[in-house]
Amino acid sequence: DSGVTQTPKHLITATGQRVTLRCSPRSGDLSVYWYQQSLDQGLQFLIQYYNGEERAKGNILERFSAQQFPDLHSELNLSSLELGDSALYFCASSALGQGTYEQYFGPGTRLTVT
Amino acid sequence: AQSVTQLGSHVSVSEGALVLLRCNYSSSVPPYLFWYVQYPNQGLQLLLKYTTGATLVKGINGFEAEFKKSETSFHLTKPSAHMSDAAEYFCAVSGATGTASKLTFGTGTRLQVTL
Repeated sequence: DSGVTQTPKHLITATGQRVTLRCSPRSGDLSVYWYQQSLDQGLQFLIQYYNGEERAKGNILERFSAQQFPDLHSELNLSSLELGDSALYFCASSALGQGTYEQYFGPGTRLTVT
Repeated sequence: AQSVTQLGSHVSVSEGALVLLRCNYSSSVPPYLFWYVQYPNQGLQLLLKYTTGATLVKGINGFEAEFKKSETSFHLTKPSAHMSDAAEYFCAVSGATGTASKLTFGTGTRLQVTL
């Protein structure tokens, strides 16, 4: 158990819909990351937040957005969903800025768009 | 830009045999390197990391990796494979700048362990 929690575990929705994925980082970690894992794209970095502020951005679509709240949990919002958005979405956290660089991953949310 | 290349998408070894999973990296700055393992229907678990210092790093479950700057490699090894090692393994590189960071992953190597 990494200490990172994600909800829900599974999500099935239709094209055009909007969903929200939630992540709680390990206790004390200020940095939260979102990754997408799919068969054709592999593991792709989406976005990073540090103590509530966006710090790094990867190949995140404009239809996707994220935020980190004062209690440090994070949400990833996916809108106007397409079939190709079906993937595993992972959240990770780290104590970046406190001398360590490794990231700890949650169990993921499997999104299926039908 | 940073990248990693994992040679071999599938590796099969016999139980008790040496495990060698290859990873080469490209980085314009001193890299931080990681190996993660993913069991079916689970998240990624950190196996080991190289940041600075000793180039031979030991991880969990008997795995170790050696950072070789001259070869830009960070291969993962285990002297004796166990059936429970069957999983997908990912090499990753990170270049943290202050409080900005991300992991760039390789395409993964699926390890099969046979009797």
